[in-house]
Amino acid sequence: GDSVTQMEGPVTLSEEAFLTINCTYTATGYPSLFWYVQYPGEGLQLLLKATKADDKGSNKGFEATYRKETTSFHLEKGSVQVSDSAVYFCALEIQGAQKLVFGQGTRLTINP
Amino acid sequence: KAGVTQTPRYLIKTRGQQVTLSCSPISGHRSVSWYQQTPGQGLQFLFEYFSETQRNKGNFPGRFSGRQFSNSRSEMNVSTLELGDSALYLCASSLSAYEQYFGPGTRLTVT
Repeated sequence: GDSVTQMEGPVTLSEEAFLTINCTYTATGYPSLFWYVQYPGEGLQLLLKATKADDKGSNKGFEATYRKETTSFHLEKGSVQVSDSAVYFCALEIQGAQKLVFGQGTRLTINP
Repeated sequence: KAGVTQTPRYLIKTRGQQVTLSCSPISGHRSVSWYQQTPGQGLQFLFEYFSETQRNKGNFPGRFSGRQFSNSRSEMNVSTLELGDSALYLCASSLSAYEQYFGPGTRLTVT
């Protein structure tokens, strides 16, 4: 079945460090890929998305590129801030299914 | 534009009871999906409704059910509650594919 695997957390970095959170997927169809972020006590917010191979999603300094050959969608940010501390979820959606399949989430803590 | 709202935000129930959670989607959105979030299982898809019809269902027992009204508001019901049903229940609405907007969730505790 369809699945998403994220790098194990938690991840702790210092402010202004470079961030990478790895995400790989398994899907039978042609999925769209997403990164969602969850701040404490809140629901999920869509951070960025890519709907086809080689697309790059970007938002708030975060980027991820849809790599079909490696079935990956790694999240990167060049310089993290304390306010980026949250849980990050990688997810896929098979076209038309309106059903998201999530990875297990990666807790990110940024220290000043 | 108002976001997705969920009521109540917190709920405590006893084993064996039933519970109904409510979700109001963003105005104009006709698709509503429900997800369960637990520390052990993570985020799991429950079901999705569009124009009052269930289009998709996850792998949950029949104790979990839902419905959608003509104004797109949705409810989910869990009967005969078990301790393992304690979770954050998230509702998401969408106007089209690729863009699901989540509410803040309902935190259900079963004792």
